[in-house]
Amino acid sequence: KQEVTQIPAALSVPEGENLVLNCSFTDSAIYNLQWFRQDPGKGLTSLLLIQSSQREQTSGRLNASLDKSSGRSTLYIAASQPGDSATYLCAVRFFSGGSNYKLTFGKGTLLTVNP
Amino acid sequence: KAGVTQTPRYLIKTRGQQVTLSCSPISGHRSVSWYQQTPGQGLQFLFEYFSETQRNKGNFPGRFSGRQFSNSRSEMNVSTLELGDSALYLCASSLTGRMNTEAFFGQGTRLTVV
Repeated sequence: KQEVTQIPAALSVPEGENLVLNCSFTDSAIYNLQWFRQDPGKGLTSLLLIQSSQREQTSGRLNASLDKSSGRSTLYIAASQPGDSATYLCAVRFFSGGSNYKLTFGKGTLLTVNP
Repeated sequence: KAGVTQTPRYLIKTRGQQVTLSCSPISGHRSVSWYQQTPGQGLQFLFEYFSETQRNKGNFPGRFSGRQFSNSRSEMNVSTLELGDSALYLCASSLTGRMNTEAFFGQGTRLTVV
């Protein structure tokens, strides 16, 4: 079964700290992996998209890496700020013996950055 | 450039009723997907449309249906509502129909069934 797992479920850090969020997936045959941010009661904001042929992507203070062979991705946030507080979701588009147009999501990591 | 627009933002319905949710994708995007988000199950895929054709369907009962119009706008319908249908329903659009494309989500419709 193709699954995505995010550990930890919640993380609390002081402002200014660098931090890493983890995502693991059960099948290395993927099209791409996407990181999202979700604020309470709101929709998803796309942060970074990594294609299967890529090893990492960067946007501002965010850096995402992808290791297909080990089924892992990490989202690195540098110099965290209170405004970074949100739930971070990892989503994978798996190969699925034909066409697969769905994203499979992890349950997310709830990040709290304390002033 | 406008993002993905979902209407209405909030809905309260009674068990047994039916509901229709609407999604307008980003201009030029032709693929629209729907997801259900609940605290217990997280985000689960409902279905995906491209050029008015449903290409993928998730593991939901037949009470959940959808369609896409020629302008790429999409609607999803839930009939005979149950309490367990209470959730945040999210719509995502993508520029192309290819499987390596990036997905952009709307703000969601919060459905409460009482």
